[in-house]
Amino acid sequence: GAGVSQTPSNKVTEKGKYVELRCDPISGHTALYWYRQSLGQGPEFLIYFQGTGAADDSGLPNDRFFAVRPEGSVSTLKIQRTERGDSAVYLCASSQDRESSEQYFGPGTRLTVT
Amino acid sequence: SQELEQSPQSLIVQEGKNLTINCTSSKTLYGLYWYKQKYGEGLIFLMMLQKGGEEKSHEKITAKLDEKKQQSSLHITASQPSHAGIYLCGAARTGNQFYFGTGTSLTVIP
Repeated sequence: GAGVSQTPSNKVTEKGKYVELRCDPISGHTALYWYRQSLGQGPEFLIYFQGTGAADDSGLPNDRFFAVRPEGSVSTLKIQRTERGDSAVYLCASSQDRESSEQYFGPGTRLTVT
Repeated sequence: SQELEQSPQSLIVQEGKNLTINCTSSKTLYGLYWYKQKYGEGLIFLMMLQKGGEEKSHEKITAKLDEKKQQSSLHITASQPSHAGIYLCGAARTGNQFYFGTGTSLTVIP
């Protein structure tokens, strides 16, 4: 079956612009995670959804970042007033449920803010 | 400070050689996960360890979790170019957060 997909694969935007990054989890997976990975670092937790609700958004760096998952499947990570420091690879992962041990990762979206 | 420390940061080995990557936590881990990442791709799950002293193997990769559940090692036997990539250990905090080590970059020279 299809894995986790993310679109776009690459996004270049100007400082101050608004961007949306999309994640399509594996069908039937109720848990969804967003991470941010800077060059040479491990992924950094941003937010976790269980179903439609954000169960833990404590990793979001500031209020310019917001994520939604209105129907419990596709999720969108939204970044307002982008800054150069937002440049990173944004990874999405899904797992079958909260207790599931294995997260399946998408290929990521590489965001570059110029 | 990084909660999961990995060593070494990078490793270059000749094909056929064995190697070990370490992951150390200052706190007792609920579960320790190993992932592999290739450039431009997402993470691929390798193994999960939960019990102190647990050891798992998949093909030529073996992972162990120490008795105190604070340190894990990943060992590759007879490395091949296909093993090249970034190896990441990860763990779950209480609640829903999941965090990763800084990664170990492995290069295997044919």
